[in-house]
Order: sequence, then structure tokens, then C-alpha cells
Amino acid sequence: NAGVTQTPKFQVLKTGQSMTLQCAQDMNHNSMYWYRQDPGMGLRLIYYSASEGTTDKGEVPNGYNVSRLNKREFSLRLESAAPSQTSVYFCASIGNNYGYTFGSGTRLTVV
Amino acid sequence: SQQGEEDPQALSIQEGENATMNCSYKTSINNLQWYRQNSGRGLVHLILIRSNEREKHSGRLRVTLDTSKKSSSLLITASRAADTASYFCATDGVQGAQKLVFGQGTRLTINP
Repeated sequence: NAGVTQTPKFQVLKTGQSMTLQCAQDMNHNSMYWYRQDPGMGLRLIYYSASEGTTDKGEVPNGYNVSRLNKREFSLRLESAAPSQTSVYFCASIGNNYGYTFGSGTRLTVV
Repeated sequence: SQQGEEDPQALSIQEGENATMNCSYKTSINNLQWYRQNSGRGLVHLILIRSNEREKHSGRLRVTLDTSKKSSSLLITASRAADTASYFCATDGVQGAQKLVFGQGTRLTINP
């Protein structure tokens, strides 16, 4: 099915561990995004990639890095996880109608 | 920082009634969008209204935009139990890059 695929769906990390969240879209979209969603809050932008080969910081980039591997894939890496990074992470991409298509999310817990 | 502020934070109505949610924002925009999020799921795009539009319809959804007041409203008519979800407004600023800034959302509950 066409859309945005995120892996894994759930993850528990210990403080200081690292991990990479994977995201892939098959809609030939140029722009891709990583957001985090915390209880009682809307989504906050971590990083985005307007096109293949470019990445830029969003509102809350500290503690994260990203890689736009190709047009399809945009990964988010936590180098040294902290409890403050416990959240639900969403990847999204955008097409010509300016509406985002979201993945189903990764629920990350850092203990 | 949050661009959109939504009101109310929670809304509970009976099935068949209309639901109205409001969104206010702070800076100039290219467009404003509404999304729905069912519990534990990703967000789904509902409707987009551009800064030069005042009203837009899509099925049972009606969105208005007042750029002079920097506000928007989402009306869901003849609500159904399946409309139970959180609804978010998001704004796309004039500086491009299509970076959406989301509000905190309205939790809508439709009671049968």
C-alpha cells in the first residue's frame, strides 16, 4: 500500500543507548519530516528534508541526527538516548496538495 | 513554540449534533490545515484552506479562515461515533519549506 512506513513501532531503550528510527515513503514525495508528540501537546518538528541531499533543523533538534539516504528514506538517530526523549515519533512526507501523509508512529520509551 | 492554539481542548457531544473546533495562530500563513488522529494512530489530513480563501467544504466538514483575526474553525456536521478522535490545526508559514506547525489539538468525543 502506498504511504509512509515507519519501523520499529515500539522500542524501549536504556539511557545512553543509541538507535535509528527508519522511515520510507513510496509516493515520490520530495519533502520528508520527523515530528515528536508528547502527551497533551501537538506535534513538534525535529528535523526535515526539503529534498534529497538536504536536511534542516526544526523546533527541537537537540539530541537527534538525521540522514536522507535517498528520495524514499529519511532516518532519525538518537546517539545517546535520554528519558526526555520518551515520546511518540512520527515521520511524514508531503506531496503536491500540501497535505502531509503520516506514518503510524514509533512509540519510544527511554528508561 | 506552538503556532496554533485550539479551543476547546476537549469537546463531548451527542451523536448527530454538530461539533465546532477553533484554532488561533500568531504569524502570517500560506495555508492552514486540519488533521484527525485516532487514538494510537498517525495523523490523517482532512482539509487545507489557503490564506486567500475564506471557507471550504469537504463532505461533512466545513472550514473557515479569518486572516484578520488569525483564526480558523472546523465544523463537523451530523457527527458520528467514528468521528471520535483528536483534531489538530496546522499552519504553513510564508517562509516556505512547507514546515507545518501544529496546535495542541481538540479531543472530540461523540456519545452514542
